[in-house]
Amino acid sequence: AQSVAQPEDQVNVAEGNPLTVKCTYSVSGNPYLFWYVQYPNRGLQFLLKYITGDNLVKGSYGFEAEFNKSQTSFHLKKPSALVSDSALYFCAVRVRDDKIIFGKGTRLHILP
Amino acid sequence: DVKVTQSSRYLVKRTGEKVFLECVQDMDHENMFWYRQDPGLGLRLIYFSYDVKMKEKGDIPEGYSVSREKKERFSLILESASTNQTSMYLCASSILTTRNNQPQHFGDGTRLSIL
Repeated sequence: AQSVAQPEDQVNVAEGNPLTVKCTYSVSGNPYLFWYVQYPNRGLQFLLKYITGDNLVKGSYGFEAEFNKSQTSFHLKKPSALVSDSALYFCAVRVRDDKIIFGKGTRLHILP
Repeated sequence: DVKVTQSSRYLVKRTGEKVFLECVQDMDHENMFWYRQDPGLGLRLIYFSYDVKMKEKGDIPEGYSVSREKKERFSLILESASTNQTSMYLCASSILTTRNNQPQHFGDGTRLSIL
């Protein structure tokens, strides 16, 4: 079955430290992978995507993600966290046509 | 920038009522989607549409229907609202490409309470 998993419900990071939000996936064929962020009382905003090419993808707000085919992972990273990065983060994978499925989300808390 | 507008941010309705949630996008996107978001469950797809008058069931279509009479507008209908349909509803749109690799763009959501 095709799926995407975010193993951590919540991640706490001190401001200025590097952060990682984990995502693993299971799909047939080549994966198209996405990260979205949701701020309180807002819809989801697109951060970055992996389609093909370099395993390190750069996106908005200084975020990047590392695609690892052997580990079927697509972890979101940032070298230095900001308090304003506190939000709910969703990993997603395309399953067919334009349909994508989302992980359950990881709440990121950046501690001042 | 793509703008996806949902007609209401907050809505309170009563059990048994017929409820309409409206969504409009301004970028001429072919694809439109309705999701519901519940804590601990992430986003679940209710219905999607890839063209005017075309629709396809998502993962949880029971109790819902949709209408797409114009390309820019996609409506979600709760035929007879029930308390278990209390949720955040999110509309999204995306451009249709041969590689299906474009992100979806979301509205700000409608928080629906059924009393």
